[in-house]
Amino acid sequence: EPEVTQTPSHQVTQMGQEVILRCVPISNHLYFYWYRQILGQKVEFLVSFYNNEISEKSEIFDDQFSVERPDGSNFTLKIRSTKLEDSAMYFCASKYGATQETQYFGPGTRLLVL
Amino acid sequence: AQSVTQPDIHITVSEGASLELRCNYSYGATPYLFWYVQSPGQGLQLLLKYFSGDTLVQGIKGFEAEFKRSQSSFNLRKPSVHWSDAAEYFCAVGDRGGNQFYFGTGTSLTVIP
Repeated sequence: EPEVTQTPSHQVTQMGQEVILRCVPISNHLYFYWYRQILGQKVEFLVSFYNNEISEKSEIFDDQFSVERPDGSNFTLKIRSTKLEDSAMYFCASKYGATQETQYFGPGTRLLVL
Repeated sequence: AQSVTQPDIHITVSEGASLELRCNYSYGATPYLFWYVQSPGQGLQLLLKYFSGDTLVQGIKGFEAEFKRSQSSFNLRKPSVHWSDAAEYFCAVGDRGGNQFYFGTGTSLTVIP
């Protein structure tokens, strides 16, 4: 069964450094998402992406964040200058089409900012 | 504002016992409701979903959930829990376009022999 994959599974970085989290959505999916989950808190929506542009973003998704689909398979989340509070589990999700309501999630990348 | 509440942070049940995980939502329109499960080191796996129709929905691994509009609830149930059900369970509400998901804080399930 096709699945969403994410790399790396864990990343440790220094405050102020840039990080890129990578996701490979399910191959025929067209809508892509990033979520984060700070330890002990709920999963929070960050951004949705369709047709090579951002569809929606939350207030969390500020200028430090960016997303990109650099090729036909990858979907990346970049944090330009990481802060301690960016430490979280980041989930990528995808779905096939506009009328499909179910998002399929990857295993997550655990980011630790020191 | 849309929100999802899972009142139980942690539940412990004995193997073979029944299980009910609570979920309440606040949503302005008819919601799309989901339950996801997260095993350690794994992603969020869809257990079941409710969009319309029969308010009792069946999912994978023997789980079911019942949508009760009057109570704004979508509780997850399983008649007999297995040790492999130990995981984190998340309730979520989605908009009609499937673009915005709002998650609860999750319920951690421990299964004891």
